[in-house]
Order: sequence, then structure tokens, then C-alpha cells
Amino acid sequence: EVQLVQSGAEVKKPGESLRISCKGSGYSFTSYWISWVRQMPGKGLEWMGRIDPSDSYTNYSPSFQGHVTISADKSISTAYLQWSSLKASDTAMYYCARQELVAFDYWGQGTLVTVSS
Amino acid sequence: SVLTQPPSASGTPGQRVTISCSGSSSNIGGNTVTWYQQLPGAAPKMLIYSNNQRPSGVPGRFSGSKSGTSASLAISGLQSGDEAHYYCAAWDDSLNVVIFGGGTKVTVL
Repeated sequence: EVQLVQSGAEVKKPGESLRISCKGSGYSFTSYWISWVRQMPGKGLEWMGRIDPSDSYTNYSPSFQGHVTISADKSISTAYLQWSSLKASDTAMYYCARQELVAFDYWGQGTLVTVSS
Repeated sequence: SVLTQPPSASGTPGQRVTISCSGSSSNIGGNTVTWYQQLPGAAPKMLIYSNNQRPSGVPGRFSGSKSGTSASLAISGLQSGDEAHYYCAAWDDSLNVVIFGGGTKVTVL
């Protein structure tokens, strides 16, 4: 069974750093891209970027380029999304998803990130 | 959003509801469309891929179509469990991103 299991909810202060994770199982982790999708409170879905776990090649949405970093450790089948300096506007639910061509066929359960002073 | 969806749609149990998704030649016009269902408090789930293909486990009541720069999702035999947000998505060749529609909230009256 394909599963993507994300790390738990986080509460951080503005300016702090954070890394959240997404562990894949039940399939060959290096055979599919992993994308990250943001959902701000009460809003729709926004694609942030993706990574090819086989070689860690990344592709970012211009809206998120430079503000987040996507990485992966194929030895433990885990992808990461990290921030070096959080803002209150980063408060959102973040989903990882397995990407088959241009479709996201499996999704993680989501990680809620709350940034508040 | 670059992909335009109606914010809401509704129907009574058993009815057919259709949701539209309007784009352009750089996205829907040249690429496939995927539809996602997001039930309240849950992660999104792929409902339709490659414009009109259903993953295993998705009921035949859900169907997708595409014509030119628009796509649509139809839900027939509407059930209370279909109350959710529905999003269309496609790759955009100009922006080099995956774009989502703004989402349509389906209410079963």
C-alpha cells in the first residue's frame, strides 16, 4: 500500500527555521517525483515545487522560489520542506504528494504549520 | 486563479452536478487535466486524471471531460458524502508550474 506519512503539527515564532518531512512507503521512492502543496486557512491549493528523489533535482514555483527549500534523502525515502526564516504568512497546511506525470496520485495527511509571536 | 471554477454548486440527492474549469492554451489547451476531491478536514484525493480517467476505487458516478481550453467534472447520482471541495489542476507551459483552480464547494441540499 502506497503511503506518504508527514511529520506532526508545528508552532513556531516569526524568524525561526523549520523543516517538515514526508516519508514514502509501499513503492519505489526514487521512481516518482514528490511535490509540496500549500493550503492557507480557508483557501485553495497552491503548488510550491517538486523534487526528483533519484537525483534531488528540484523545480520551484516562482511564488515560492527563494523562500523554501525542498530536499530529499532517498536512503530513508523521505522528502523535506524547509524554511530558514518563517513569517506569519507561512501559517498553512502543507501537503506532500506523489507525482505521476502531472497528477498527484497519493497525498500525505498534511502538516499544519502555525507561525505566531 | 489561472484556472477558473465556480465557487459553489449544489444539488439534491440523486441529481447530476457539473463543475466547469476554464483555462487557456498554455494550460488546459495543451495539457491534461486532473480533478481532486477534498472532503472536510481531509487531504485532497485524486478523482480524475488525464482528463477523463478514473483511478481504481473511484465510483463511476464521477466523470471528467475536456474540450479546447475548458474541462468539466460531472457527479451523477449525487450523495451526501459527495459534499466537498473539488479542484481542477493542470500544468501551465508559460508559468512552468502546476496550477489549480480556485475550487468549487459542492453542497447536497
